[in-house]
Amino acid sequence: GAGVSQSPRYKVAKRGQDVALRCDPISGHVSLFWYQQALGQGPEFLTYFQNEAQLDKSGLPSDRFFAERPEGSVSTLKIQRTQQEDSAVYLCASSATGGGSGNTIYFGEGSWLTVV
Amino acid sequence: GNSVTQMEGPVTLSEEAFLTINCTYTATGYPSLFWYVQYPGEGLQLLLKATKADDKGSNKGFEATYRKETTSFHLEKGSVQVSDSAVYFCALWKSSGDKLTFGTGTRLAVRP
Repeated sequence: GAGVSQSPRYKVAKRGQDVALRCDPISGHVSLFWYQQALGQGPEFLTYFQNEAQLDKSGLPSDRFFAERPEGSVSTLKIQRTQQEDSAVYLCASSATGGGSGNTIYFGEGSWLTVV
Repeated sequence: GNSVTQMEGPVTLSEEAFLTINCTYTATGYPSLFWYVQYPGEGLQLLLKATKADDKGSNKGFEATYRKETTSFHLEKGSVQVSDSAVYFCALWKSSGDKLTFGTGTRLAVRP
């Protein structure tokens, strides 16, 4: 597609429920990033893929968070046993290569998760 | 580690006023620096960037100069419009970390 697409746009989950958030990056983009943005805060890095390889998962807050990109395109962020502190906007981004000075990183509109 | 500090908002200005949003960073070496903008109901968009010291990034009337001596990348615009109302994020990229590090964002509201 023309941009990074995320679904669902809005999700309300009951505490303890599992959720899965999907990201369709820009076609052909090698790098894919997940960020978490709490209300009134800047995005915080969660994890980074280069093709299907997860090169950095240092930002995942706990072992309840899991991300995959099995075929090097679509990615899913899964949160198990959701808790109220997981309520945030989850942003997906992609770039042609590593981003930074060489390539622009494009962000999706985000998936708004509310845990009640 | 790497970090970005930007001025707290909200910043409220009248149309055609001069805008400055301060941003300073902490990082070793030579990061690339960015300003992203988030309009209401939309995703983050790259506004401008600078990849080395003394570079000036510019777009849509906005400018920012990479100042290594003061570790700053302040965003400026000479005459703001109502349509500039948004949240602005300063960010840095270090290739060794392969990720963007963001500030907390500054909300700008422009009155007609």
